[in-house]
Amino acid sequence: EAGVTQSPTHLIKTRGQQATLRCSPISGHTSVYWYQQALGLGLQFLLWYDEGEERNRGNFPPRFSGRQFPNYSSELNVNALELEDSALYLCASSFGDGNSPLHFGNGTRLTVT
Amino acid sequence: AQTVTQSQPEMSVQEAETVTLSCTYDTSESDYYLFWYKQPPSRQMILVIRQEAYKQQNATENRFSVNFQKAAKSFSLKISDSQLGDAAMYFCAYMKFQGAQKLVFGQGTRLTINP
Repeated sequence: EAGVTQSPTHLIKTRGQQATLRCSPISGHTSVYWYQQALGLGLQFLLWYDEGEERNRGNFPPRFSGRQFPNYSSELNVNALELEDSALYLCASSFGDGNSPLHFGNGTRLTVT
Repeated sequence: AQTVTQSQPEMSVQEAETVTLSCTYDTSESDYYLFWYKQPPSRQMILVIRQEAYKQQNATENRFSVNFQKAAKSFSLKISDSQLGDAAMYFCAYMKFQGAQKLVFGQGTRLTINP
């Protein structure tokens, strides 16, 4: 069974640009989650999508947005990049029953210069 | 708001020995889940073990077991017969029952295995 896959592995952008990160969930999972892992800040919840809808959002500005496609894959978009957006972005998926454990991908390392 | 605290930034253990990682949490909920995740250098967060708060029995997965003390809000991870492949960052995490599927993570403990 294929796990959660994320692309790209690494992404380098300049301040002010936009970044798009992609995630494919485990087959059968309908929920996708995004987490930011920044140095010194630990893992912070960003977004939760289920059945194409945004279900919950962490304490991040609106320039962090995303969507979930009919095949349950997801994109995270970060607009107007700032230096402090440099982090590892982890995607996770689960069954959309509210209680299933999350399974994570290997992450996308975003560097903003 | 729920918080998770891991008071040991780093731990080390000799191969084949036993090590215990500590975690405390704060919540006003009575039903919730607790997890231990492992993050090796490959960066992938791997689920090690999960505990439902309504279960009194401590969860066990092969060499990994937890000591769940609900009243004390403590959730420690014991790794028996430590192996070199156990070296990683270990994160304790909390999730409210039927609520928002939002994991709250501790700051992590870096575990080193000495051969």
